[in-house]
Amino acid sequence: QVQLVQSGSELKRPGASVKVSCKASGYTFTTYALSWVRQAPGQGLEWVGWINTNTGIPTYAQDFTARFVFSLDNSVNTAYLQINSLKVEDTAVYYCARVVYYGSGTYPLYWGQGTLVTVSS
Amino acid sequence: QSALTQPASVSGSPGQSITISCTGTSSVFGSYNLVSWYQQHPGRAPKLIIYEGSKRPSGVSNRFSGSKSGNTASLTISGLQPEDEADYHCCSYAGGSHYVFGAGTKVTVL
Repeated sequence: QVQLVQSGSELKRPGASVKVSCKASGYTFTTYALSWVRQAPGQGLEWVGWINTNTGIPTYAQDFTARFVFSLDNSVNTAYLQINSLKVEDTAVYYCARVVYYGSGTYPLYWGQGTLVTVSS
Repeated sequence: QSALTQPASVSGSPGQSITISCTGTSSVFGSYNLVSWYQQHPGRAPKLIIYEGSKRPSGVSNRFSGSKSGNTASLTISGLQPEDEADYHCCSYAGGSHYVFGAGTKVTVL
């Protein structure tokens, strides 16, 4: 069965960096794109972007182009989200999600358990 | 501020039907009908319940239905049950390989 297992919670100081991992299993890693979604405490979902796991080409939402970096290690079926120059407002749960292709659309169907990143001085 | 507007909360009694709206701009919804809906229980990851505006993934109850008219998409939950109490998020393809979520709606079963 498809599983996405994310790394554990992180506590970071403002200005630091964090790297969240998302290890996939149960399918061929390079066949489906991976999305990243953010959820601040008590807030709704925010689409951060997605990465083509075949080409490694990332697409970032407009608000996430400067400090957010997606990467892959296909040898271990793992995707990464790195956030640089962390700000207090980056405090959130970050989800990775494997998409499914229905018709002409792409939809996150299989989700990781989420990784809480807390930024505090 | 999200490009998709949802009511903050909707409530209903068991057995009733409720509808959650999701209003966007023509530049977001455009000519696409690539609206999806996600259910999220507290402390859990979201779950896809509607895609392409009105279609349900395998295993999703037929009590959930979706529709779209102009720049407003809607999710209807029929025969409301206690386990339907959750947050519901709409999402739309916005062009250029980008997607956008609404702010979410809290559904309370009275």
